[in-house]
Order: sequence, then structure tokens, then C-alpha cells
Amino acid sequence: DAGVIQSPRHEVTEMGQEVTLRCKPISGHNSLFWYRQTMMRGLELLIYFNNNVPIDDSGMPEDRFSAKMPNASFSTLKIQPSEPRDSAVYFCASSQDRVYQPQHFGDGTRLSIL
Amino acid sequence: KQEVTQIPAALSVPEGENLVLNCSFTDSAIYNLQWFRQDPGKGLTSLLLIQSSQREQTSGRLNASLDKSSGRSTLYIAASQPGDSATYLCVTNAGKSTFGDGTTLTVKP
Repeated sequence: DAGVIQSPRHEVTEMGQEVTLRCKPISGHNSLFWYRQTMMRGLELLIYFNNNVPIDDSGMPEDRFSAKMPNASFSTLKIQPSEPRDSAVYFCASSQDRVYQPQHFGDGTRLSIL
Repeated sequence: KQEVTQIPAALSVPEGENLVLNCSFTDSAIYNLQWFRQDPGKGLTSLLLIQSSQREQTSGRLNASLDKSSGRSTLYIAASQPGDSATYLCVTNAGKSTFGDGTTLTVKP
């Protein structure tokens, strides 16, 4: 089992640029979550999908953030335009079942906006 | 709004000691509670998941308990080892996932 795969592992870019983070969930998992982790705010849920459909995006901080899940094996989190305060580690997680099964996390993307 | 608190924020113990990490939450209407460990620069590794109907779960040297009525969970680590050094996070799942800030554990050889 390959686990949840995120890319890139690290991204450094200048403010104003578009940033796209990618996630491949574990095969067979029907729930996918995007989180952001910072020293100040800890881990925050940004959005989660169930069967490729966004269920709750109330954690998405601003309209500059958008997430898509075009199929069961791929999701993207996009920031446009990026700002220095978006610098954080972004995690993707997946689970077989939103309620009864554990979430499995990827290794994260460390994003730095200069 | 759910609030999850973990105490202590940091803990340092000698190898071999048994220890307890605490997690409290304000809203008992949860589906489950999950404990994770996070190593520096890494993602989260799931340790134990306790459903709302369960009282405890065990895996090896780890035992997690859940008391929904008091809004508390504990993670018990027996015979701690230096490899247990990490940050331990608890998260409640109640339609939304709410994480505590974690307890950073250091086990000294």
C-alpha cells in the first residue's frame, strides 16, 4: 500500500504566484481531507470531500483558496494569488469511511511564500 | 464550537517509564476520537481510533481510553522508549475534525 502521496514535498515561490498542491489518496478510500498546519494555529481542516464531492469547505480561509477532486484518485489545492501568510505545511489525508475508519496522512507539502 | 485541549504541552521522561497523555474536549457529540503521532518534518501516523460507543482501544504498548460524559481521553504509553519521542495529537471527529495542539514527548535514554 503506497499510502497517501502528496506533491511537491517542498515549494518556494514569490507572492502573487499561483500554487498548486497535489494529492493521491489511498486506493479505495472515499473521503479526502486537506489540512494546514502552522505554529500559530496548529492543524486546521480546510475542506473535505466524500465520493469526490466537497462536503464542507468552511475551513477554506479565503476565495484565493480552491480545491478540486476530479476523480477518486486525485485532488488539488490551489492558491491564487499566494501571499506570505499562506506559508505553512499542507497535509492531505484519506479514509475509507468518514465516521468509522481512521484517517491516513501524507507527508505534507511545506510551502514558503516569499 | 468544539475545543480540544492537550495537557501537558511538553513532557520529558526517562526511558522505561509509564506515562499518560491527556486530551479534553468540550462537545461530547463526536463520532470518534483518534490519536496520532507526528515526527519532525513528517505527516501524522494514526495510533488508535476509538469509536464513540467504545471505552478503550489497545495496540501494543499503547492504550487509549475515552470518557465522553466527562469529555476526556487519555493515551497510556507503557515502558517508554527513546523511539516514542514525538508529538502526540488527539483529534475529535464530529462532522468536522478538531485537533488539539499536541503534547511533545521526549524519552531520554
